[in-house]
Amino acid sequence: KAGVTQTPRYLIKTRGQQVTLSCSPISGHRSVSWYQQTPGQGLQFLFEYFSETQRNKGNFPGRFSGRQFSNSRSEMNVSTLELGDSALYLCASSLGHRDSGNTIYFGEGSWLTVV
Amino acid sequence: AQSVTQLDSHVSVSEGTPVLLRCNYSSSYSPSLFWYVQHPNKGLQLLLKYTSAATLVKGINGFEAEFKKSETSFHLTKPSAHMSDAAEYFCVVSAGGQGGKLIFGQGTELSVKP
Repeated sequence: KAGVTQTPRYLIKTRGQQVTLSCSPISGHRSVSWYQQTPGQGLQFLFEYFSETQRNKGNFPGRFSGRQFSNSRSEMNVSTLELGDSALYLCASSLGHRDSGNTIYFGEGSWLTVV
Repeated sequence: AQSVTQLDSHVSVSEGTPVLLRCNYSSSYSPSLFWYVQHPNKGLQLLLKYTSAATLVKGINGFEAEFKKSETSFHLTKPSAHMSDAAEYFCVVSAGGQGGKLIFGQGTELSVKP
C-alpha cells in the first residue's frame, strides 16, 4: 500500500511570500502530523490533525498553520516567509490512537528554501 | 515531560564490526520509544518500536534495542555494520497520550568505513 506522499518535494520561495505544502497519509490513517527539520534545531513538532481537528500544537508562531480534509489529506501553510523557515518539512501519519503506541510513518519531506 | 538524549553526535565504525548508538530517555511514566533512520536527502524510516511488551526489541535490517528502565536507556545495536547503514539515527519518545506527537533526540550520524 502507498506510503505517505508529500508534494512538492522541492521549492524555492522569496522572503515575505507564503507557501502551502501538501501531505497524503497512508490509506486508513486519520492522524497527520507535521515536523520541521533544520541543522540547528533538529526535528521539531509543528502540529497534529486528527479527523479534521487540530489535536496538538508545537511552539511555532502563528505564521505556521495547517488543516486536514475529510479524506485525511493535510496541508500546512507558512505565511510571510523568513530566511529561517528554510528547512525540510516532514509529514507523518498514523492511525491516530491517543495512547502512545502509535506506529508513525513519515513521508520523504518537502525541502523549502527561502531566499 | 518526556525527553531523549543521544549521547554521541557521531559514531564511526568499520564494516563488519558492531554498532552501538546510545540513547537515554526521561519520562514521567512508561514511555513508548522508537528508533528512526534517515538516509541522506530522505525521509525517516522506522527501525523499531518499544511499547512495554518485550524489553528486547528486534527491528529491521538486523538492528535491535534493549529497554532498560533502571538505566533509563534504549541503546540501538547491530552485530555487524554494513556500508549501507551509514545514515543519521534518531531516538524518539512519544509524548504520551498525545497521539502523533513525537519528541526527537538530536541524532547520531553513523559512518561506516570499508
